Amino acid sequence: TVLTQSPGTLSLSPGERATLSCRASQSVSNNYLAWYQQKPGQAPRLLIYGASSRATGIPDRFSGSGSGTDFTLTISRLEPEDFAVYYCQLYGSSPETFGGGTKVEIK
Amino acid sequence: EVQLVQSGAEVKKPGESLRISCKSSGYGFTNYWISWVRQMPGKGLEWMGKIDPTDSYTNYSPSFQGLVTIATDKSITTAYLQWSSLRASDTAIYYCARSGLVAPVGLDQWGQGTLVTVSS
Repeated sequence: TVLTQSPGTLSLSPGERATLSCRASQSVSNNYLAWYQQKPGQAPRLLIYGASSRATGIPDRFSGSGSGTDFTLTISRLEPEDFAVYYCQLYGSSPETFGGGTKVEIK
Repeated sequence: EVQLVQSGAEVKKPGESLRISCKSSGYGFTNYWISWVRQMPGKGLEWMGKIDPTDSYTNYSPSFQGLVTIATDKSITTAYLQWSSLRASDTAIYYCARSGLVAPVGLDQWGQGTLVTVSS
């Protein structure tokens, strides 16, 4: 299964809403779709699992939705620390593919 | 506190062998898969494969099958990623990460990464 993320880059201002897309080439079993945030020089951090469940300690401005082949990560109001690269990942089946990433940059 | 602590940066020549490590603590080591993820310079994340520390069952991405070996020593709660003959194209940061065996929730804890540089 190939995961395609769009857009490649999202230029937004703090306080704005960010909508990131992840499309799978085949239906995702059990909605085993995760989202990660990666900042420069840091390891990725799990944000969302099961397409819509927030990981421990993740602020509620982050939300995930979708099923089947189309998934969305929404950041309701961007904080300065949210500017980063975001990846979706298929897990629980092999290979546990990552999408190519979406960079959220300051406009 | 759950921790995955990886070994330090390595500089190697093409053709050399290498083993990097990932030491886990603060949780039941045999309750979680350990995955390895590659990130080439300026690029995205690539899942390489995973291992079940209970019985050392491994599952590799087709892209990495035969190119690397994933192993564990559960007596010291450590996972390994190894190469028998490095190439320049193996230059990357390598991350280990855990995921639940029984209740998958994605890769919920990550190591800090190990930078591997392969250059003549």
